[in-house]
Amino acid sequence: KNEVEQSPQNLTAQEGEFITINCSYSVGISALHWLQQHPGGGIVSLFMLSSGKKKHGRLIATINIQEKHSSLHITASHPRDSAVYICAVRLNSGGSNYKLTFGKGTLLTVNP
Amino acid sequence: NAGVMQNPRHLVRRRGQEARLRCSPMKGHSHVYWYRQLPEEGLKFMVYLQKENIIDESGMPKERFSAEFPKEGPSILRIQQVVRGDSAAYFCASSPGGGSGTQYFGPGTRLLVL
Repeated sequence: KNEVEQSPQNLTAQEGEFITINCSYSVGISALHWLQQHPGGGIVSLFMLSSGKKKHGRLIATINIQEKHSSLHITASHPRDSAVYICAVRLNSGGSNYKLTFGKGTLLTVNP
Repeated sequence: NAGVMQNPRHLVRRRGQEARLRCSPMKGHSHVYWYRQLPEEGLKFMVYLQKENIIDESGMPKERFSAEFPKEGPSILRIQQVVRGDSAAYFCASSPGGGSGTQYFGPGTRLLVL
C-alpha cells in the first residue's frame, strides 16, 4: 500500500462545477503539499499546509491531521484547470524532513 | 527572478549512451533535489544536494546514476549506459534552505531511450 493515496484517479467535470480531490496518508507528516502538473509541463506548487485550511483564488486546501486526510477543492471550475493534481507529504522524520513522498496524482479534465 | 531551469527539455538517447541532465536552481537557492517520474507512476525522490555536497542519495539507483552540484554551474544528473527503463521525466527542485521549506520545481527533462 502506498504511503500516499489519492482519489479519484481520474475526474471529469463540466465547467462551473465544484471539484474535490482527496488525499490520505498513512505516516506522520510535518507538512502536505498540493502540486499541479499540466500535460507535458512542469510542476507548480499550489499549497503547503500543516494544519487547517488555505485559500488562493478559486482553490481551497484543507487538512485534518488526526484523520490523516487532505482535500483540494476547486470552485467554479474552468477548462484551464485541467491538469494532474498531486498530493505530496513531508515525513515527520527529523533529519529527513526535506524528502517528499508523492501520490500518483489525479487527472482532472474540465469540459466547456 | 527566473525560476528553476532545466535543460534539455527533451532528450533522446540510444541504449548504452550517456544522458546528462542539467538543473540551474533559482537565484539564491543552494539546495537542489532530483525526482524521477516513471510512466504511470508517481514522482520519486532520487537525491538531495547542496553546493559541492551530496546530502542524501538514498533514492538513486546504485549503478549508472550519479549527481553533482559544483560550486559554480548547474547541478548535473548523469546516467551512464542508459537502458529503456530509464525513460522517464526527471524533475529538479530547489529551495533556499534545507529542511521543511517550499521546493520550487523546474519544467522537467523528458528522457526517451530508444
